[in-house]
Amino acid sequence: DAKTTQPPSMDCAEGRAANLPCNHSTISGNEYVYWYRQIHSQGPQYIIHGLKNNETNEMASLIITEDRKSSTLILPHATLRDTAVYYCIVRVGAGSYQLTFGKGTKLSVIP
Amino acid sequence: GAVVSQHPSWVICKSGTSVKIECRSLDFQATTMFWYRQFPKQSLMLMATSNEGSKATYEQGVEKDKFLINHASLTLSTLTVTSAHPEDSSFYICSGGGGNTDTQYFGPGTRLTVL
Repeated sequence: DAKTTQPPSMDCAEGRAANLPCNHSTISGNEYVYWYRQIHSQGPQYIIHGLKNNETNEMASLIITEDRKSSTLILPHATLRDTAVYYCIVRVGAGSYQLTFGKGTKLSVIP
Repeated sequence: GAVVSQHPSWVICKSGTSVKIECRSLDFQATTMFWYRQFPKQSLMLMATSNEGSKATYEQGVEKDKFLINHASLTLSTLTVTSAHPEDSSFYICSGGGGNTDTQYFGPGTRLTVL
């Protein structure tokens, strides 16, 4: 699986959009970009994934650059409950394949 | 998203005893289940991958005789920590994937403390 690079930490004001970047310059053509988050002392929560088109669901939006070497996860209106570690992972698009977790980005939403 | 449960959510045991952790996919069939371990302030580390009805594949450095994994059905996998020692104290997390889903869904985790 391709390696990803994320900033170790970010702050975001409550109610504002949180934009979390991820670099994956060695991504292969058949690899998807997955985003998970882990709130303290809980299991990771799936957020969103995409191949090359931008994706949106009820939780977030995923913007993938045209060359697919980087992406941004957008939480449109961050709340205190969004404080968590966010992991960007690239992997082939099949549930039977393992996920390799890096250090992620610790997002702190500030009142 | 799909739901995965784990039981128990936390357990305290004495050194030398064995502990079993159950992982269930509640609303989907997980042809593949994964077990992770997470130490304080560290990221998740994959321990093993199991496919329903097959023997688990363990990551390098994980003792297969100490961490027994059974995946007897498409909705249940168990992890047994045998002869647990204090260094096995950790947060154990399972996930399920495969079948009709192209992603993995995680359980809430089990906090194991070995005294």
